[in-house]
Amino acid sequence: GQQLNQSPQSMFIQEGEDVSMNCTSSSIFNTWLWYKQEPGEGPVLLIALYKAGELTSNGRLTAQFGITRKDSFLNISASIPSDVGIYFCAGSSGNTPLVFGKGTRLSVIA
Amino acid sequence: GAVVSQHPSRVICKSGTSVKIECRSLDFQATTMFWYRQFPKQSLMLMATSNEGSKATYEQGVEKDKFLINHASLTLSTLTVTSAHPEDSSFYICSARGADHSPLHFGNGTRLTVT
Repeated sequence: GQQLNQSPQSMFIQEGEDVSMNCTSSSIFNTWLWYKQEPGEGPVLLIALYKAGELTSNGRLTAQFGITRKDSFLNISASIPSDVGIYFCAGSSGNTPLVFGKGTRLSVIA
Repeated sequence: GAVVSQHPSRVICKSGTSVKIECRSLDFQATTMFWYRQFPKQSLMLMATSNEGSKATYEQGVEKDKFLINHASLTLSTLTVTSAHPEDSSFYICSARGADHSPLHFGNGTRLTVT
């Protein structure tokens, strides 16, 4: 099925560094969501975006809904070891099922 | 926040047997639930959309007779893997949405191992 282009695929960073990942789509979405998944668990919602240009923060996490409605980014500031996991972007139009990116695997080196 | 409970979290079964996985929305009514499958180190792939009171909608390539979905109430959907085979071993995750346009919330997944 359709998938989003999410990058980077993986990241190895030092504790304290900032992280940025993004997703692009050939389709226009009216909802962008960012999830985090840890091993053996289901994805946990981090941030939900509903308006083009919207910038939303959740603690050290900040995500933006691109103005073109075809992209979104997620930033994590001052990373800590518990930020380790796989981050997925997901988008949808109307009530269509979510389309997921392939994930960004984040490793934080203490 | 919205909570989705999935049970069991792990199941091991013998080839040829059937396994039922339950997905419950605990603090909201979910007219629509979704079932995903995830292989190691890969993204979530939608299997089917479960609609309360009606037949599920399956994605292309997903056998409806193999993966039976029942959404009998606004808080419960079940996925039954019938006549399981080792290639059905995977991580199955359900998700639910309350009101339209509200974000999806996910269960903790079920790891199925077929021996």
